This record gives sequence, structure tokens and C-alpha cells, in this order.
Amino acid sequence: QVQLVQSGAEVKKPGASVKVSCKASGYSFRGNYMHWVRQAPGQGLEWVGRINPHSGGINYAQKFQGRVTMTRDTSISTAYMELSSLRSDDTAVYYCARLSTLEGRGVFDQWGQGSLVTVSS
Amino acid sequence: DVQMTQSPSSLSASEGDRVTITCRASQNISNYLNWYQQKSGKAPNLLIYAASSLQSGVPSRFSGSGSGTDFTLTINSLQSEDFATYYCQQTYSAPLTFGGGTKVDVK
Repeated sequence: QVQLVQSGAEVKKPGASVKVSCKASGYSFRGNYMHWVRQAPGQGLEWVGRINPHSGGINYAQKFQGRVTMTRDTSISTAYMELSSLRSDDTAVYYCARLSTLEGRGVFDQWGQGSLVTVSS
Repeated sequence: DVQMTQSPSSLSASEGDRVTITCRASQNISNYLNWYQQKSGKAPNLLIYAASSLQSGVPSRFSGSGSGTDFTLTINSLQSEDFATYYCQQTYSAPLTFGGGTKVDVK
């Protein structure tokens, strides 16, 4: 079955960087864009960006430009999201989500379990 | 960016109630509108796509409607497992954006 398994929780100090991984299984990794979404404690969902696993092409939300880097390793079907210059308001659960197409419309039909990143001095 | 506004932000209901949640887009997004359910501590789960199509495996008490800028999610005969937070999402243009969420809790 399709699965996205993310790396574990991280605690980082302000100014540090964090790299979260998302390992895909049960489907062709290159065939679907991978998106990253975050959720601060008690808050809503915020789109961070996406990567095309086939080409490596990326698009980031303007808010994160210059601080976020998305990469992938197709040999192990894994996508990565690195966020640098961490601040306390980056404390959130970070999700990877697979984009599929249903009736010509994009949907996030599979999500990772989430990775909690805590930024604290 | 397309702004998505959900209302209400929270509501209290009882099992068996009919619940309606609305989502408004800041511009015409046709039917590029999805609904997700999120339970505490879990990832969101797709309920409705293309504004009104039911995702496979989702109970038929869930339904969606709307097009353009105004959309509705309806839950007929609310069940205990439906107490959760619901989000709309537009996939018309990047950045993909979500509504602020509607928390449905027990009256």
C-alpha cells in the first residue's frame, strides 16, 4: 500500500537548520509531485512548497524563499525539506503530502505522519 | 495568492445533526476545491475533491457543493467519528492555500 514515512521529531535552537525526510513506498516515486505543509500548534495548515521528484524542479511559498530547500533522492524514493535560520515561530508539525490527480484536479491523497520540529533556546 | 475563508471557525453539534461549513475564495477558482478532515494528532484526510466528488471510502453522509467562489461541505446525520477539524483547500493556482479550519465539537 502507498505509504509516506517521515523522520522523527527534532529540537533545534534558534538560528539552526533542520532537515526532514519523507520516504515513499507502494507507488512510483517519480510519478507524483511531493508537497510540504506545516501546522503550528493549534493552528491551520500552511503550504511550504513542492518538488517534482522526476525533474527535481521546485516551487516554494514566497514566505519561505531563501530559507527552505527541497531535494530528493530517487534511488531511495525519499524527499527532503530543509529549513534554515530557524525561529521560534517555525515550531510546527511538518507534513509531506503526495499530489495526485482526480477528475483533472489536484488532491493530496496521501500524507506522511508528520514530523514535529521544535525551536527553542 | 488566493485567500480561502472558512466559516464558522468552530461549531458545536450533536450526533444526528446536519452540519454545514462554508468556504469562500477570494477569486474564481472554478471547482478546484478540496475538503479534508483532520483528527487530533493525525494528518489530514481527503474527503471531497473537485468541490463535489466523494473520495473513495468516505461515507456518503459527506457531500460538497459550489463553484466559482462559494463552496459548502455538508455532513448529514453527524456521527461520533465526525468530530474533527475540517479544512478547504484550493488547487487552482500556486501557492496552494487552505482555509483556516472549522472545528466541530460535541454540544
